[in-house]
Amino acid sequence: DAGVTQSPTHLIKTRGQQVTLRCSPKSGHDTVSWYQQALGQGPQFIFQYYEEEERQRGNFPDRFSGHQFPNYSSELNVNALLLGDSALYLCASSLLLRTANYGYTFGSGTRLTVV
Amino acid sequence: AQSVAQPEDQVNVAEGNPLTVKCTYSVSGNPYLFWYVQYPNRGLQFLLKYITGDNLVKGSYGFEAEFNKSQTSFHLKKPSALVSDSALYFCAVRDWIGNTPLVFGKGTRLSVIA
Repeated sequence: DAGVTQSPTHLIKTRGQQVTLRCSPKSGHDTVSWYQQALGQGPQFIFQYYEEEERQRGNFPDRFSGHQFPNYSSELNVNALLLGDSALYLCASSLLLRTANYGYTFGSGTRLTVV
Repeated sequence: AQSVAQPEDQVNVAEGNPLTVKCTYSVSGNPYLFWYVQYPNRGLQFLLKYITGDNLVKGSYGFEAEFNKSQTSFHLKKPSALVSDSALYFCAVRDWIGNTPLVFGKGTRLSVIA
């Protein structure tokens, strides 16, 4: 299967700790976007990576950072975790120049619980 | 700025009846519009999209959506609901200008009752 793979599926962290979430995009895709979905809410855009650079950023603090590797996979890092960071984190991959035609493919997400 | 409104938190419909999940949007230019479905503890699954062309878009699992530019709406419809359609539905929009991110509505929970 060449879909989007996210790891881990579930994670429990303590306030103040740091966490790294990982995403492998769909085969052939070159762009990765990260979303935060709090309970009962729609996904909120965190940032987007293309060519190993952050291209777009939503309204999230600097505690949220990311990285994209040469193989297009990506990491989301969150420092100094707060209880409010508990959410489902979704990764979406796309082909930058063909996003409109081919859309976004989402992974199953990482459920982060901060205690 | 782009935005999406899904005015109904919950929609209940009897199995076999038609269903509609409402969505209105706001963008600066022309919109690219999407519908996604989410089952419990799962990611988002693509249903359909509107880019240009016919206002009636047909998608997966018998769903369709009608683009109405004058009303800035993109309602999701299905002629005959199934119990298995029960899930959380998200409408999303992005502006066709530049590489703008996909913006989601808050979601509508659809419950199909047997």
